[in-house]
Amino acid sequence: GENVEQHPSTLSVQEGDSAVIKCTYSDSASNYFPWYKQELGKRPQLIIDIRSNVGEKKDQRIAVTLNKTAKHFSLHITETQPEDSAVYFCAASKTGNQFYFGTGTSLTVIP
Amino acid sequence: DADVTQTPRNRITKTGKRIMLECSQTKGHDRMYWYRQDPGLGLRLIYYSFDVKDINKGEISDGYSVSRQAQAKFSLSLESAIPNQTALYFCATSDPGGVYTQYFGPGTRLTVL
Repeated sequence: GENVEQHPSTLSVQEGDSAVIKCTYSDSASNYFPWYKQELGKRPQLIIDIRSNVGEKKDQRIAVTLNKTAKHFSLHITETQPEDSAVYFCAASKTGNQFYFGTGTSLTVIP
Repeated sequence: DADVTQTPRNRITKTGKRIMLECSQTKGHDRMYWYRQDPGLGLRLIYYSFDVKDINKGEISDGYSVSRQAQAKFSLSLESAIPNQTALYFCATSDPGGVYTQYFGPGTRLTVL
C-alpha cells in the first residue's frame, strides 16, 4: 500500500513569517494530494488539494507544490496569522479511493 | 459540516463490551469511510464503502466490523472492545464524481477501560 511521510511533526513560526510542511509518498500511481487543517477539538477540513497533472496550486496565502518525479509535495503558508495555528495533515490517494494520511504537523504561530 | 453526523460523540466503555458507532450523512455521497485518529499517528483508514453492497477493509480493520444500512448510514462496530481501541473515530464521505473531497463528521471519542 501507500506510505505517506510528513515533516516536521511540530513547527513554530513568528506571525507574518512563512511556514512549509513537506510530505513524501511511495506509490507513483497516487494522483490526488489533499491537505487538511484540524483545529483543536474539531474535525479535519480540506484547505487545498492538487492533482498529479498540476505542479502548483495557490489559494490566497496557501499554496501546494508537487514534484511527481521525487514523489513529494509541500504546503506553503505565507504571512502566517495566529488563526493558522492547527494540526495540518497531508494525504495521498489514487483517484479518490483509499486515502493515506501523513502523521500531522502541529503548527504554532507566535503573535 | 452538519451534513455528516456521528453518534455518540463521546463514549466510555469496558473491555469486552460491544460498541457501535453510527454515521449519517445528508450530502448524497456514495462513498463513506471510517478512520481512527491517535496522537502522532494521523488518521488511519479502518473500512470504506463505495455503495451499499460494496465494503472494503482499510489499513487497520482487525477488531472492527461495519454495516452500510443505506446510502446515508454507515456504522462501525467493535465486537469486543479492548483498551488499545481507545481513540478518536471519524466518519467521512466523498463524492465519486471526480471531485474527491472528503467531508468529515465531528468525531466520536471512545475510551475503553
